[in-house]
Amino acid sequence: AQTVTQSQPEMSVQEAETVTLSCTYDTSESDYYLFWYKQPPSRQMILVIRQEAYKQQNATENRFSVNFQKAAKSFSLKISDSQLGDAAMYFCALRKGGSEKLVFGKGTKLTVNP
Amino acid sequence: DAGVIQSPRHEVTEMGQEVTLRCKPISGHNSLFWYRQTMMRGLELLIYFNNNVPIDDSGMPEDRFSAKMPNASFSTLKIQPSEPRDSAVYFCASSGQRRETQYFGPGTRLLVL
Repeated sequence: AQTVTQSQPEMSVQEAETVTLSCTYDTSESDYYLFWYKQPPSRQMILVIRQEAYKQQNATENRFSVNFQKAAKSFSLKISDSQLGDAAMYFCALRKGGSEKLVFGKGTKLTVNP
Repeated sequence: DAGVIQSPRHEVTEMGQEVTLRCKPISGHNSLFWYRQTMMRGLELLIYFNNNVPIDDSGMPEDRFSAKMPNASFSTLKIQPSEPRDSAVYFCASSGQRRETQYFGPGTRLLVL
């Protein structure tokens, strides 16, 4: 079975600062994908970033980057130069290769303070 | 391009009534997913289709829930009869041939009184 754990129910950061959200996962598969989704108050689920397990290079998308530690089964999200619009719930998710099922963590609520 | 479209955005109904949620996936996508989000259980996959065929419905709570995908551009999730514990946000998502990423619709917030 696959599991995703987000150990930080809530986090806060000052505007323009950097914050890191934690995610650990468990899977016996060697082929899998990891995702971070953002859910603002509008409740829309928005893809932030994606990482293929076979890639050693950490994915980046503008101010968002991940620290993918495959051996430790860790997949943290770093948000640089935080903006007020980054305030949202952030969900980490795992999908094993060959399957279409996403397994989500419980989420981390990020507050950005002006 | 239009994203995943869901209707209605909000639904308030009384216990025992039938509820139908609708979804239009992104054009060209061949996989469609229905999720439910609650505070207690988080995001749960209810059912997903590939090329209009249900592949895995193990997440469907009980027989009161049913889902159909009559064609590549439309799917419904029906609850009959509805109960207060069905109150949740229901999301539809779709993915393309490479199946790498699921794109979510805006969700339907359902309240059963």
